[in-house]
Amino acid sequence: VQLVESGGGLVQPGKSLKLSCSASGFTFSSYGMHWIRQAPGKGLDWVAYISSSSGTVYADAVKGRFTISRDNAKNTLYLQLNSLKSEDTAIYYCAKNGPLEDWGQGVMVTVSS
Amino acid sequence: DIVMTQGVLPNPVPSGESASITCRSSKSLVYKDGKTYLNWFLQRPGQSPQLLTYWMSTRASGVSDRFSGSGSGTYFTLKISRVRAEDAGVYYCQQVREYPLTFGSGTKLEIK
Repeated sequence: VQLVESGGGLVQPGKSLKLSCSASGFTFSSYGMHWIRQAPGKGLDWVAYISSSSGTVYADAVKGRFTISRDNAKNTLYLQLNSLKSEDTAIYYCAKNGPLEDWGQGVMVTVSS
Repeated sequence: DIVMTQGVLPNPVPSGESASITCRSSKSLVYKDGKTYLNWFLQRPGQSPQLLTYWMSTRASGVSDRFSGSGSGTYFTLKISRVRAEDAGVYYCQQVREYPLTFGSGTKLEIK
């Protein structure tokens, strides 16, 4: 199993960013996927989940601003981040569901003016 | 939301000794299938979290049998036997009983 995140960077407050997670080594379409983040020097914070049938769940802190999606043909998971705030600054990890044994290396998102 | 509360370790722990990390949940993590939906992770500096145990006491693939998870519906313990330098890092418990998934704040383990 390999999960590789991309798309991070420095962005101004209020702007948008789209993260990608490229998956390989398993049947991507059969698994739910998570985004989990970690602010600098802080603990782990679950962000969103998408099931194999594309049902979604979000943390309250990102509901209405972030959108999780997937493209099974491309074996890719996405996280669209809109209306970004400074408190969204974190490393964002994608992880394969059941039982969260496989994580990517993470991608840094910095929200700052 | 389910609140996860982790204990503190009396660091540093001498190499070869045992260490026990505690975690408490604000609601029972036992689901109707009888399983307890509690994960333990280790995050070493600069690395992604590594799953150690799931369903409270089932070790993840490749994880040493020095790690053992136990507990009840709301109180959990991760025991590390014969600690080694490579066990140093921050340990997190996580409930996967219901959404939103929540983590404890982490317990740091230092090895002497």
